[in-house]
Amino acid sequence: GEDVEQSLFLSVREGDSSVINCTYTDSSSTYLYWYKQEPGAGLQLLTYIFSNMDMKQDQRLTVLLNKKDKHLSLRIADTQTGDSAIYFCAEIFRDDKIIFGKGTRLHILP
Amino acid sequence: KAGVTQTPRYLIKTRGQQVTLSCSPISGHRSVSWYQQTPGQGLQFLFEYFSETQRNKGNFPGRFSGRQFSNSRSEMNVSTLELGDSALYLCASSLARTGRNEQFFGPGTRLTVL
Repeated sequence: GEDVEQSLFLSVREGDSSVINCTYTDSSSTYLYWYKQEPGAGLQLLTYIFSNMDMKQDQRLTVLLNKKDKHLSLRIADTQTGDSAIYFCAEIFRDDKIIFGKGTRLHILP
Repeated sequence: KAGVTQTPRYLIKTRGQQVTLSCSPISGHRSVSWYQQTPGQGLQFLFEYFSETQRNKGNFPGRFSGRQFSNSRSEMNVSTLELGDSALYLCASSLARTGRNEQFFGPGTRLTVL
């Protein structure tokens, strides 16, 4: 069945780049999303990439998709304290089914 | 435009009781989805309603049910609560069918079962 895996924790020093990785098993998805969840809040859509794209850049965010390896990554340039949150990747399929990863908690070191 | 609202924000129940959670989508949104979030299992899809009809359902027991009203507001009910039902329940709305449209999430209802 479909599965989406993420590492649970990532610590990055302020000002450095953060790279959050995600792997998936089912490559028939149409979109792949990145969501951000801050404490006490719901999920906020950060960015998404169509499954036929390799890369998408949006200000400090860069999404890379390696379809051969079924690997998705989110790079946050110049990481700030406000980037501290849980980041979820998600696959969306043609029948609108959505599978989320368990989330990566990004911790910013001063 | 007001965001997705969920009530109540916090709830404490005991085993065996039942609970109803409410979600008001963004005005004009017709699709409402429910998710259960726990530290161990992450975010798991419960069900999705569109125009008062359940379109998709996750792998949860029949104790979990939902409905959607004509104004797109949705309720989720859990009967015979178990300790493992303690979680953050998130509701998300979108204009039409999910996947092709961005989902907007509410802040969630944190349910604690004692």
